Amino acid sequence: QVTLRESGPALVKPTQTLTLTCTFSGFSLSTSGMCVSWIRQPPGKALEWLALIDWDDDKYYSTSLKTRLTISKDTSKNQVVLTMTNMDPVDTATYYCARGVWGSGFDYWGQGTLVTVSS
Amino acid sequence: DIQMTQSPSSLSASVGDRVTITCRASQSISSYLNWYQQKPGKAPKLLIYAASSLQSGVPSRFSGSGSGTDFTLTISSLQPEDFATYYCQQSYSTRTFGPGTKVDIK
Repeated sequence: QVTLRESGPALVKPTQTLTLTCTFSGFSLSTSGMCVSWIRQPPGKALEWLALIDWDDDKYYSTSLKTRLTISKDTSKNQVVLTMTNMDPVDTATYYCARGVWGSGFDYWGQGTLVTVSS
Repeated sequence: DIQMTQSPSSLSASVGDRVTITCRASQSISSYLNWYQQKPGKAPKLLIYAASSLQSGVPSRFSGSGSGTDFTLTISSLQPEDFATYYCQQSYSTRTFGPGTKVDIK
């Protein structure tokens, strides 16, 4: 079955770079039409889409955050990595990774990982 | 960027009620519209994709319609487990979520 799991630090300091890893199983990111996205949700607030990488290694970013984000994949390890630079307390959120199929929605999600930005 | 709006932002309803939530895109997105349900402390769950296709395993009381810029999610008979927050999301150009609609108990 399809599973995704986010991992990374629970606490980062302002100005630091956050690195999150999504480790997945049950599908291959080299299969045509497959993609993995990162989405975040500040406490009590709405979902915010961050970035997407697809089977063809095409990458897409939120316009408002694109200067701070980098998404990459390691197909052999079934992992997708997101880095976010210059972290700020407003970046405190639960970060999710999710699988998407092109033309459809995000059908499988990780449980999410809470990242707190504080000195 | 394509902006998504939802109305209402919240609603109170009773078990058995018919509930309709509206989502509007800032430009035409054809049928590239998905709906999610999220309960507190949980990851979102895909309900509807491509505006009107029911995700596998989702009860048939959920339905979606619309194309272009205006879309609706309808719950035909609200059940206790349906009290949650609902989000629309476009997949026409990059991705954007709507601000959400919270459905709570009347």
